[in-house]
Amino acid sequence: DTAVSQTPKYLVTQMGNDKSIKCEQNLGHDTMYWYKQDSKKFLKIMFSYNNKELIINETVPNRFSPKSPDKAHLNLHINSLELGDSAVYFCASSQLIYRTGETQYFGPGTRLLVL
Amino acid sequence: QQQVKQSPQSLIVQKGGISIINCAYENTAFDYFPWYQQFPGKGPALLIAIRPDVSEKKEGRFTISFNKSAKQFSLHIMDSQPGDSATYFCAASDFNAGGTSYGKLTFGQGTILTVHP
Repeated sequence: DTAVSQTPKYLVTQMGNDKSIKCEQNLGHDTMYWYKQDSKKFLKIMFSYNNKELIINETVPNRFSPKSPDKAHLNLHINSLELGDSAVYFCASSQLIYRTGETQYFGPGTRLLVL
Repeated sequence: QQQVKQSPQSLIVQKGGISIINCAYENTAFDYFPWYQQFPGKGPALLIAIRPDVSEKKEGRFTISFNKSAKQFSLHIMDSQPGDSATYFCAASDFNAGGTSYGKLTFGQGTILTVHP
């Protein structure tokens, strides 16, 4: 069974469109994250939710809106897509966020290409 | 501001050799230092991690060396194998309930390791 799953795996779309990426974890974790990996493979956290509550909100354009319907799901909606949004987006989860040292489990990634 | 600096960007090693990847950090509040391994087309996965109260941690062929005074840590892969070819990321985190860290991971830039047979 996949621990952290994301859909879709690939997303090719035109500039200006709106798209969503879905993430689900079956690990029973309380905390979920969205990361962006750019073309140089640099990984940067975008958001984190703990039990449906937004905990971390990095400097991300407000075109990006996360939504957590329950603690097993964290979706990412992107409005008015721009060329610079092309990247791999990873969802991750961990047991707790209120301490360091918790292993983060990453999904397989969603490869977004904006044309 | 890049808080965790990783080097080298890429590394080529012969099978059986030692691979060494270095990281340096600035934030003295960091108290957890994991290494993640990422294969092409996959998400990163935890490889090994250390806390600053020890200077070394070994798991199989993988060892983290930690130098708190120098604010540096490194990953050593002994007897490197072609199957170790991947991108390796160092990371660091701290917990600050009053701020925005909440244990979030700050990653280094990554090192692409290629082990030739």
